[in-house]
Amino acid sequence: GENVEQHPSTLSVQEGDSAVIKCTYSDSASNYFPWYKQELGKRPQLIIDIRSNVGEKKDQRIAVTLNKTAKHFSLHITETQPEDSAVYFCAATTLATASKLTFGTGTRLQVTL
Amino acid sequence: DTGVSQNPRHKITKRGQNVTFRCDPISEHNRLYWYRQTLGQGPEFLTYFQNEAQLEKSRLLSDRFSAERPKGSFSTLEIQRTEQGDSAMYLCASSGIGGIPRVYNGNTIYFGEGSWLTVV
Repeated sequence: GENVEQHPSTLSVQEGDSAVIKCTYSDSASNYFPWYKQELGKRPQLIIDIRSNVGEKKDQRIAVTLNKTAKHFSLHITETQPEDSAVYFCAATTLATASKLTFGTGTRLQVTL
Repeated sequence: DTGVSQNPRHKITKRGQNVTFRCDPISEHNRLYWYRQTLGQGPEFLTYFQNEAQLEKSRLLSDRFSAERPKGSFSTLEIQRTEQGDSAMYLCASSGIGGIPRVYNGNTIYFGEGSWLTVV
């Protein structure tokens, strides 16, 4: 089955700096890679996703890059703000089977003033 | 349409008791998932339904766990003879084309707020 590794486990940045979170996956059949943000005690919420036919996707301050050959994808947050503080999870799945997401272990991002 | 809803949100139970959680997915979503999340970890897949059919079960889902989706709409997750190791947040999620208005992306998996279980 799929295995997703995520680094770093914690990340502290100053407000306005950029944050980068990296994930690797094992199953070459995986073709859909969402990123979820989870605040304490809340549901995971999708913030951005990318399919394997695209190398990069951007949405305002958030971008995701995908390297299919190396089987890794990354989340980039620019101009970080205190409200970006949360736990971020990467995930991978195969759209054809429309089944489970395999999640990484999460990155706790702390944006300090 | 208020998204995926779960109840109860919190449940404290004594070891050995049975508990049941209910999930109401986004209306018309044909796919429904149950995940379990413990502190400091990512959600772990438990089981998946397409309409009323349970298509996949994780090895994490021991025989004390049973999930149903009898009419292809809401789902229940029952845990029998609870153990302290069952303490976790149980997340329900759904996906598919649907909702009012029809703005939900078919691929996106939308999560509920979760049901926290504490076994004492």
